[in-house]
Amino acid sequence: GAVVSQHPSRVICKSGTSVKIECRSLDFQATTMFWYRQFPKQSLMLMATSNEGSKATYEQGVEKDKFLINHASLTLSTLTVTSAHPEDSSFYICSARDQAVNYNSPLHFGNGTRLTVT
Amino acid sequence: AQTVTQSQPEMSVQEAETVTLSCTYDTSESDYYLFWYKQPPSRQMILVIRQEAYKQQNATENRFSVNFQKAAKSFSLKISDSQLGDAAMYFCAYRSADSNYQLIWGAGTKLIIKP
Repeated sequence: GAVVSQHPSRVICKSGTSVKIECRSLDFQATTMFWYRQFPKQSLMLMATSNEGSKATYEQGVEKDKFLINHASLTLSTLTVTSAHPEDSSFYICSARDQAVNYNSPLHFGNGTRLTVT
Repeated sequence: AQTVTQSQPEMSVQEAETVTLSCTYDTSESDYYLFWYKQPPSRQMILVIRQEAYKQQNATENRFSVNFQKAAKSFSLKISDSQLGDAAMYFCAYRSADSNYQLIWGAGTKLIIKP
């Protein structure tokens, strides 16, 4: 089946530094990928929609200058948390759609990244 | 705007028994998709089952089945013969047929399996 690889699975960084999270579709092409944030014991919160070759679409309240998204190829989207602060500590998950499958195909999820900012 | 409501923060069931998780949604659209996802402690989101709104027949996947009541905007998940591996957070999700694949998520239900 379709696999989405998200890396790293865990990262600890110091406050003020930047962290890049990668989301790769391994055996399919994805023009659209989604980035979510999940707080403990809560549901997924959509942060942004990543579109290959164009700017990401951010949800209301998500700072685009803080959460930089790049979708430079059909198999890779990256989320960079810039100037990270402890309040950015969270679980980040990406998902992708196989563009070759019909319109009712499900999304495929990465394993998530646990970010801890000290 | 569409909303998804899961009114059960936590449910528990004895191993081998049957449990039903509730989900209701609100929409003015006639064509859409509904999903149940499972998130075990590993945090990997796993698709359990999905239902197309235009299909009257309830979807089934082995021990998992749904009771889709379109008029009532209800989409419950029934897990039969519960197993220890079913313990997880379960999320109900909605997607418009004409959307760019954005999912609208419920708050989740934590399912505990008692051995």
